[in-house]
Amino acid sequence: DSGVTQTPKHLITATGQRVTLRCSPRSGDLSVYWYQQSLDQGLQFLIQYYNGEERAKGNILERFSAQQFPDLHSELNLSSLELGDSALYFCASSGEWGGGYTFGSGTRLTVV
Amino acid sequence: LAKTTQPISMDSYEGQEVNITCSHNNIATNDYITWYQQFPSQGPRFIIQGYKTKVTNEVASLFIPADRKSSTLSLPRVSLSDTAVYYCLVGDIPPGGGADGLTFGKGTHLIIQP
Repeated sequence: DSGVTQTPKHLITATGQRVTLRCSPRSGDLSVYWYQQSLDQGLQFLIQYYNGEERAKGNILERFSAQQFPDLHSELNLSSLELGDSALYFCASSGEWGGGYTFGSGTRLTVV
Repeated sequence: LAKTTQPISMDSYEGQEVNITCSHNNIATNDYITWYQQFPSQGPRFIIQGYKTKVTNEVASLFIPADRKSSTLSLPRVSLSDTAVYYCLVGDIPPGGGADGLTFGKGTHLIIQP
């Protein structure tokens, strides 16, 4: 157990639908990151939050959005889903002074 | 962000020492070097992090030359369970904010054979 909790582990949904992925960071970590990993794209950075505020944006589509709540958990919202959105979505958190990221076990999203 | 270049794949045998080198020619003064390991369908796992010279922990060593334009992850006496993808990341880790959205490349697929 890495200390980063992601739910759900698996999600199957139809095209056009909207889903929410949830992440609880490791205790004490203020930064949360979302990554998407698909077979042909590798691990792509989507967005980072630090203590409730958006800190950095990567290759996140306009159909996707995220937020970090006062208790530091984060949610990634994916809407108007397309087949190509099928991927593993990872959440990671990090501490204040390096030590790298701690990743969760991911949510496998399948869009049918 | 500093761009990194790693071999796409490597193979070795159980019991051998494996060295994976990463090039990062445009590394900035404030950048750290971090290595991760990823197994299929799992999130990457932090292995080691360094700024210069040599860093060693219970699983690996990280060698960084004086010019910091490359780094080498050394895995001693590998086993079959070390078969995984290894990523080298370079970026700033500012106080008070963690690492700012470091991008993972394709990594090095290490295959260990019996």
